[in-house]
Amino acid sequence: DIQMTQSPSSLSASVGDRVTITCRASQNIDNFLHWYQQKPGQAPKLLIYFASDLQSGVPSRFSGSGSGTVFTLLISSLHPDDFATYFCQQSIDSPNTFGGGTTVQL
Amino acid sequence: QVQLQESGPGLMKPSETLSLTCTVSGGPIGSYYWSWIRQSPGKGLEWIGYIYYLGTTNYNPSLKGRVTISVDSSRKQFSLELNSVTAADTAVYYCARSRVFGSGSYSGAFDIWGRGAMVTVSS
Repeated sequence: DIQMTQSPSSLSASVGDRVTITCRASQNIDNFLHWYQQKPGQAPKLLIYFASDLQSGVPSRFSGSGSGTVFTLLISSLHPDDFATYFCQQSIDSPNTFGGGTTVQL
Repeated sequence: QVQLQESGPGLMKPSETLSLTCTVSGGPIGSYYWSWIRQSPGKGLEWIGYIYYLGTTNYNPSLKGRVTISVDSSRKQFSLELNSVTAADTAVYYCARSRVFGSGSYSGAFDIWGRGAMVTVSS
């Protein structure tokens, strides 16, 4: 299985901060990398697909980059609604696998 | 807008068969891949498998032999069966839709999710 490693596992930030989350794959996954946001008691929500494509309805302060084995999710200016847990996921290989998550907290 | 709703038992005993159904509303079941994903505190998010609306399936090898995903397009439902459950299968089970790309290929980007169904396995 392809292992997905996120860093950091948690971070403290303030409204207006620029936040960067990294996801590393244990082997080349091209651009088959997707990012999700999850809030307590809710299902994950797709933010970015194929590494850098913004899902419809997602604010433009979210962006994704990377290819191969290293990927980044950037929140350019943190909003109060952005305090949540973020997951990356690869889908180039079966089984699809998720990272362990990064919790963005105050 | 497209919505997914899981239904099934909340509490089960070890060795029983888990059956969950996901109902698709507000949009077609055709031309998409439909997945089951579960989430537990100990194992995080785990992809269980998918079914294409025409019936092609792909399962997580870690569950192979215990899992079956089926689709009923006329009812706009797809279902999960997981047999011989143990406490390790305790989780929130989500159904989700995968975007397609190209000429109908599986993208694995889950753009629509159900609200989740909590399943507890306990004697």
